[in-house]
Amino acid sequence: GQNIDQPTEMTATEGAIVQINCTYQTSGFNGLFWYQQHAGEAPTFLSYNVLDGLEEKGRFSSFLSRSKGYSYLLLKELQMKDSASYLCAGVYNTDKLIFGTGTRLQVFP
Amino acid sequence: DVKVTQSSRYLVKRTGEKVFLECVQDMDHENMFWYRQDPGLGLRLIYFSYDVKMKEKGDIPEGYSVSREKKERFSLILESASTNQTSMYLCASRNTGTGNIQYFGAGTRLSVL
Repeated sequence: GQNIDQPTEMTATEGAIVQINCTYQTSGFNGLFWYQQHAGEAPTFLSYNVLDGLEEKGRFSSFLSRSKGYSYLLLKELQMKDSASYLCAGVYNTDKLIFGTGTRLQVFP
Repeated sequence: DVKVTQSSRYLVKRTGEKVFLECVQDMDHENMFWYRQDPGLGLRLIYFSYDVKMKEKGDIPEGYSVSREKKERFSLILESASTNQTSMYLCASRNTGTGNIQYFGAGTRLSVL
């Protein structure tokens, strides 16, 4: 299978930086998505990495290492509204998405 | 903005009932998907459709069927609902030109009693 592993829960303080890691199996891998999902709402697209390296988008950055089967989502200057679940999803065999179980992030004042 | 609309946010049904979950997207996307989301299991693909009248089984199709008569609408059907189908159901759509990005609806929380 194409196991996608990410931590179940994380906590952080407002204004801090948090890194959410995701590991995946590399066989058949084509790219990696990060989605944000607030409780009771639709997952919303954050980033899509195909090539190695860091992609920055405002307070959020996403990193990919294809050789290591590793990605992370970096959230800077945390705000209370960043409390949500963050879903890591690998693209396999051209276009099939395999999701991790999600990381529930709680931001405290 | 892409809009994916699921007809119901909450549904309560009885065991054995036939259940229809409806999903409509307004961006002329070719591809549409149905997932279920359960605690500790993440999103799992039930069925998907690459175009009108087309359907493909995902990872957990048992107990479900789908219908795609029009491009904008993708229906998930539980032929005879069972308690283990109590879950959050998420619909998504994708334009083949947008680099695999799937856009999700807000979900339908189904309880089967």
